[in-house]
Amino acid sequence: GAGVSQTPSNKVTEKGKYVELRCDPISGHTALYWYRQSLGQGPEFLIYFQGTGAADDSGLPNDRFFAVRPEGSVSTLKIQRTERGDSAVYLCASASGAGGADTQYFGPGTRLTVL
Amino acid sequence: TQLLEQSPQFLSIQEGENLTVYCNSSSVFSSLQWYRQEPGEGPVLLVTVVTGGEVKKLKRLTFQFGDARKDSSLHITAAQPGDTGLYLCAGRLQSGTYKYIFGTGTRLKVLA
Repeated sequence: GAGVSQTPSNKVTEKGKYVELRCDPISGHTALYWYRQSLGQGPEFLIYFQGTGAADDSGLPNDRFFAVRPEGSVSTLKIQRTERGDSAVYLCASASGAGGADTQYFGPGTRLTVL
Repeated sequence: TQLLEQSPQFLSIQEGENLTVYCNSSSVFSSLQWYRQEPGEGPVLLVTVVTGGEVKKLKRLTFQFGDARKDSSLHITAAQPGDTGLYLCAGRLQSGTYKYIFGTGTRLKVLA
């Protein structure tokens, strides 16, 4: 039983480039979250999926950020025209259902560095 | 605006000491969770509390949810070096939403 995996583990890119970050949730988990964690801070909510649909995308900072989950399992977070301020660890978590007290299982994160 | 403030921000103590970490907000939460995060890893859930005044114990860790569901505390008895890590609280603002707000974090170091 594999946990949540995220690829790549590290991504270095240049300002203005496009990046994609991938999350493989635990098999069978219908809920999937993306968070962003800056150094010394707690994770910041970005978006929540229930199945294939984004049930709450209120945390996406602007229209450069977009996330998809086309088949209700793997999700990709896409960032266009990256900026230095986008540098952070991007965390993905999955949960088995839609309940508010469900356990979220986090992946190890992707460390994004924008030069 | 940070909805969940944790204190202290940093804590360095000797093995065997007791400590309490606080998580405070002016907002009401339908549930609140505590996590521990180690370097290079994602947070790991320790406990979920859902009822005002609720107390849960996990070995040497005691978690309390405030009566008004606006605050919470984590008390560790006889801390051990293995307790070292970043402790995070996370609250869900109201039923029907799945958005979790994380606190600012408390970095704990337990010295042997």
